Amino acid sequence: EPEVTQTPSHQVTQMGQEVILRCVPISNHLYFYWYRQILGQKVEFLVSFYNNEISEKSEIFDDQFSVERPDGSNFTLKIRSTKLEDSAMYFCASAPGQGNNEQFFGPGTRLTVL
Amino acid sequence: ELKVEQNPLFLSMQEGKNYTIYCNYSTTSDRLYWYRQDPGKSLESLFVLLSNGAVKQEGRLMASLDTKARLSTLHITAAVHDLSATYFCAVDPNWGGAQKLVFGQGTRLTINP
Repeated sequence: EPEVTQTPSHQVTQMGQEVILRCVPISNHLYFYWYRQILGQKVEFLVSFYNNEISEKSEIFDDQFSVERPDGSNFTLKIRSTKLEDSAMYFCASAPGQGNNEQFFGPGTRLTVL
Repeated sequence: ELKVEQNPLFLSMQEGKNYTIYCNYSTTSDRLYWYRQDPGKSLESLFVLLSNGAVKQEGRLMASLDTKARLSTLHITAAVHDLSATYFCAVDPNWGGAQKLVFGQGTRLTINP
């Protein structure tokens, strides 16, 4: 069964460093998302991406964040200068679209900022 | 702004008992999703509810949607230990396209032998 994959599973970085989280969505899906979950809290929307552009973003998704689909299969989230409060689990998700917004989530990347 | 609230947030119950988790949301939507999350793991899709009155069942879990009341329920029948997890409901606030999901706070369910 097709699934969303994410790499790395765990990323440790120093405050102020740039990180890139990578995702491979399900191949025939049209909509891509990033969410984050701070330990013990609810899942929060960051950004949605469709037709090679951002379709919606949350207040969390400020100028430090960017997304890209560089090669038609990967979908990346870049954090330019990480802060301690960026420590969280980051989930990528994809959805087929066409009236069906059932989103399929990847296994997540645990980001730890020291 | 769409708000999604679940209750209870914590639920400890014995095997064999029945219970219901409630999910209320604040604006009109006909699309609601239930997910399960095990500790340290990702979100597993359980149910997709796409219309008023929708009811879906899988094993000991049954989910329903009342769009007029803006309420979804997840009912657990004769609970077993394997159902221990955190359950999230999520609402899609928009028609057209596939936009963000707004999640509830989650209900941490612990089933004791």
